[in-house]
Amino acid sequence: QVQLVQSGAEVKKPGASVKVSCKASGHTFTDENIHWVRQAPGQGLEWMGWINPNSGGTNYAQKFQGRVTMTRDTSISTASMELSRLRSDDTAIYYCARDSPMVPFDYWGQGTLVTVSS
Amino acid sequence: DIQMTQSPSAMSASVGDRVTITCRASQGIRNYLAWFQQKPGKVPKRLIYAASSLHSGVPSRFSGSGFGTEFTLTISSLQPEDFATYYCLHHNSYPRTFGQGTKVEIK
Repeated sequence: QVQLVQSGAEVKKPGASVKVSCKASGHTFTDENIHWVRQAPGQGLEWMGWINPNSGGTNYAQKFQGRVTMTRDTSISTASMELSRLRSDDTAIYYCARDSPMVPFDYWGQGTLVTVSS
Repeated sequence: DIQMTQSPSAMSASVGDRVTITCRASQGIRNYLAWFQQKPGKVPKRLIYAASSLHSGVPSRFSGSGFGTEFTLTISSLQPEDFATYYCLHHNSYPRTFGQGTKVEIK
């Protein structure tokens, strides 16, 4: 079955960077885009962007342009999201999610808590 | 960017009630609308895609409808396990945007 397994929780200081990984299994990694969504404590869901694992092409939400980089390593079926210049309001759970044509976000990773604190 | 507005933001309901949640898009999105359920501390769960198609394994008491700018999620008879927050998502274009969520609480 399709699974997305994310890396573990991180604690970072303001100004640092964090990289979260998302390892896919149970489907052909290069067939479906991987999106990243985050959720701040007590808040709603916020779309960050996506990566096409086949081409490596990306599309980022304007809010994160210049701070986010999404990459993939097809040899290990893993997508990653790096967020730089962290601020306290970047404290959130970060999710990866698979995206199929007409069926968005049908599978999700378990989430990775990123805490930004001095 | 397309804005998604859900209403109500929160509601109280009893087991057995019929519940309807509305999601409005700031411009037409055809039927490119999905619904998700999220319980506290859990990963969002897919419910409906293409406005009205139920994902496999989702109980038939859930249904979705709408096209263009107005969409609804209906729970025909609320069950104890349905108390959660519900989010709509448009996937007509980029950026994707979620509604702000509707929290369904026990009356």
